[in-house]
Amino acid sequence: DARVTQTPRHKVTEMGQEVTMRCQPILGHNTVFWYRQTMMQGLELLAYFRNRAPLDDSGMPKDRFSAEMPDATLATLKIQPSEPRDSAVYFCASGLVWWEAFFGQGTRLTVV
Amino acid sequence: DAKTTQPTSMDCAEGRAANLPCNHSTISGNEYVYWYRQIHSQGPQYIIHGLKNNETNEMASLIITEDRKSSTLILPHATLRDTAVYYCIALNRDDKIIFGKGTRLHILP
Repeated sequence: DARVTQTPRHKVTEMGQEVTMRCQPILGHNTVFWYRQTMMQGLELLAYFRNRAPLDDSGMPKDRFSAEMPDATLATLKIQPSEPRDSAVYFCASGLVWWEAFFGQGTRLTVV
Repeated sequence: DAKTTQPTSMDCAEGRAANLPCNHSTISGNEYVYWYRQIHSQGPQYIIHGLKNNETNEMASLIITEDRKSSTLILPHATLRDTAVYYCIALNRDDKIIFGKGTRLHILP
């Protein structure tokens, strides 16, 4: 069945390295979200796209984070340079109607 | 968007109905009530939403009070697989989804 696919599922990297997380939304979904989840902050919305155009990225630290949708089948979230405080689970979600978003399994990022 | 208040945690016996309350006393007329849940180590999952009428689908029922200041999500026959964090969110259809702390529901065997 259709699902949102995120890669990698786990990533361990050293502080200062670039990290790229990828998301394949469900075919036909026109809205894509990026969320970050930590124990302290819970689920935070980082950015979202509609029809591949960024609508809101106010939740994202602009100096090091960037989100793009190079085409309808791929969304990327990049961190450069990464820091230990970026350690979290990053979720991508897509939807046809925005409120019924389907979430991926997440990428667990550990920055050491 | 309206702030919601949920109990931190709840227990429910397997096979019984799980009733999860949510207060949204500042909800405005065009804000809907949405429920999501997150099972451990998975992404959140949409359950149901409503505006002012009660709603039912294959997963749950949503009961919204007449004044719309509170609602209850009902899982009619809870199973162990329903153990999760349940999020109640109130916002209008142009807003982005902001998750709070939710209710941690434990289904007891």
